[in-house]
Amino acid sequence: DAGITQSPRHKVTETGTPVTLRCHQTENHRYMYWYRQDPGHGLRLIHYSYGVKDTDKGEVSDGYSVSRSKTEDFLLTLESATSSQTSVYFCAIRGTSGRSSYEQYFGPGTRLTVT
Amino acid sequence: GNSVTQMEGPVTLSEEAFLTINCTYTATGYPSLFWYVQYPGEGLQLLLKATKADDKGSNKGFEATYRKETTSFHLEKGSVQVSDSAVYFCALGRDDKIIFGKGTRLHILP
Repeated sequence: DAGITQSPRHKVTETGTPVTLRCHQTENHRYMYWYRQDPGHGLRLIHYSYGVKDTDKGEVSDGYSVSRSKTEDFLLTLESATSSQTSVYFCAIRGTSGRSSYEQYFGPGTRLTVT
Repeated sequence: GNSVTQMEGPVTLSEEAFLTINCTYTATGYPSLFWYVQYPGEGLQLLLKATKADDKGSNKGFEATYRKETTSFHLEKGSVQVSDSAVYFCALGRDDKIIFGKGTRLHILP
């Protein structure tokens, strides 16, 4: 168990409203990631963080922003939700078993529905 | 660029059958390679990994060997169980990120 929690676990929201998803880790990992999972696409990286206040874009970052003000929390914000952002969102942390191994450990996911 | 291609599913097998899920990759340099498994309603779990050529990752009866000459990392299991029914993702790690394949859904029939 990598000590990762996500909140909320389920959310239904209306088009145009702002939404913030939270990822919390208890093990002081430097790297944290946000993905979305959609049928036929696998997992796609939205944004990631390599330290407090240090973030970078992934392959599907449009319409999303992130913040990391402390090591344990990584927030994903949809400024104005759209139906195309209906998805399952996963947070992950990068393990520390070896500098070159890169494995990641995932939270339980947040199912977001935008109506 | 970096990419992963894995066989499309669903794959349906009978219990105790031999399993192979093919995975090939394209990458610069020397990536790490992974197989993840996702059970219904859950997040992804790391199943096994290999960090250099000819390494064999293994866990829970599953195996995969890092083949640099064929750029492959095929997942195998000698005798599958109903409890192995899940979605399996091949992935490569490079430049602080992981690139995932699209996943292969596996159904095991009792």
